Amino acid sequence: SQQGEEDPQALSIQEGENATMNCSYKTSINNLQWYRQNSGRGLVHLILIRSNEREKHSGRLRVTLDTSKKSSSLLITASRAADTASYFCATADSTLTFGKGTMLLVSP
Amino acid sequence: NAGVTQTPKFRVLKTGQSMTLLCAQDMNHEYMYWYRQDPGMGLRLIHYSVGEGTTAKGEVPDGYNVSRLKKQNFLLGLESAAPSQTSVYFCASSSDRATDTQYFGPGTRLTVL
Repeated sequence: SQQGEEDPQALSIQEGENATMNCSYKTSINNLQWYRQNSGRGLVHLILIRSNEREKHSGRLRVTLDTSKKSSSLLITASRAADTASYFCATADSTLTFGKGTMLLVSP
Repeated sequence: NAGVTQTPKFRVLKTGQSMTLLCAQDMNHEYMYWYRQDPGMGLRLIHYSVGEGTTAKGEVPDGYNVSRLKKQNFLLGLESAAPSQTSVYFCASSSDRATDTQYFGPGTRLTVL
């Protein structure tokens, strides 16, 4: 069963705009991770945020975690066409459980 | 350093045929995983291994078997393929815990006719 659920399912923006994706989950977690998947490729790890952390940054990525609301958000600032991909959140309890993903399209 | 590799990249089977998918990693990781990805379903864990000689069932293990005879290799077998097993299969590995960052292979696209 899916633990994390991303929202929206699809997002279309222009280059230079910010993209925000959300992830909600149901049970307690050890950490939450975000992955990117380019079409036809394997997943690539972006960032991991532990359950005792509230915010984490990596380059143009900003992740927040609210364990009281069981939700996380991924913000990509100043999006580029190369950011076009599917983004998945994965919740970690005993193993990783992946959501269904958000498809992001960044148009030039 | 190749990371995680998968063989083959594509395969077409007829119903009832068998095959083995090979995953290899050169990062000396203890944990390895097999997932399947279907449209609209995200990734679902089939089987995983916490070390050489060990295997465990994931969310959707039926119809699959696995073996981890060597630390660097994790094999996924389909004994009698069914059309419902048409999917993209991904292998992944992680260092110390199943909740660590996972490193993925490029995937195997399997079609069962």
